[in-house]
Amino acid sequence: GAVVSQHPSWVICKSGTSVKIECRSLDFQATTMFWYRQFPKQSLMLMATSNEGSKATYEQGVEKDKFLINHASLTLSTLTVTSAHPEDSSFYICSAREMGFGNTIYFGEGSWLTVV
Amino acid sequence: TQLLEQSPQFLSIQEGENLTVYCNSSSVFSSLQWYRQEPGEGPVLLVTVVTGGEVKKLKRLTFQFGDARKDSSLHITAAQPGDTGLYLCAGGSAGGSYIPTFGRGTSLIVHP
Repeated sequence: GAVVSQHPSWVICKSGTSVKIECRSLDFQATTMFWYRQFPKQSLMLMATSNEGSKATYEQGVEKDKFLINHASLTLSTLTVTSAHPEDSSFYICSAREMGFGNTIYFGEGSWLTVV
Repeated sequence: TQLLEQSPQFLSIQEGENLTVYCNSSSVFSSLQWYRQEPGEGPVLLVTVVTGGEVKKLKRLTFQFGDARKDSSLHITAAQPGDTGLYLCAGGSAGGSYIPTFGRGTSLIVHP
């Protein structure tokens, strides 16, 4: 099946610094990618929809200046957490939509962010 | 906004038991996916259903899409400890701006 790779798998950063997480679709082109945040034992919370070549669409309550999303190519989207704070510590997951039959969404492995 | 109600939210059973997870909505979906997620990992796609009334089997897992494409179920026969995980359903409507809606998830624990 289709593969989505997310990097890094885990990262620890200091408060006030910025962290970039990459999401790549390895064997298909994805005009649309999604970024989620997940808390323990809870479902996925959609943060934003990333569209190749255009600005991301953010969900209500998500600060676009804090969570910068760039979708520069059909296989790569990045999420940058700017001026990170401990409350930004979370599991971040990306997914990519394989266009066509069923509009199936494939997920990356997730990235653990810990802000100290 | 499309909503997906997933139930039950938590399920703790013994090995060998059967279980069913439900995913319901008042909206019609063009397709629906089921995922299983283990702690610290991304969700893994189990199945995609697109046709009303469709039934798909994956070993001991049986997935059904409602005739009206508003609901779906996942039935696990003779559950095993390896089935433990968070099960998520996700649906969306056809069109250019396909944004999947996720259910709250069902956290399943299968005790040996």
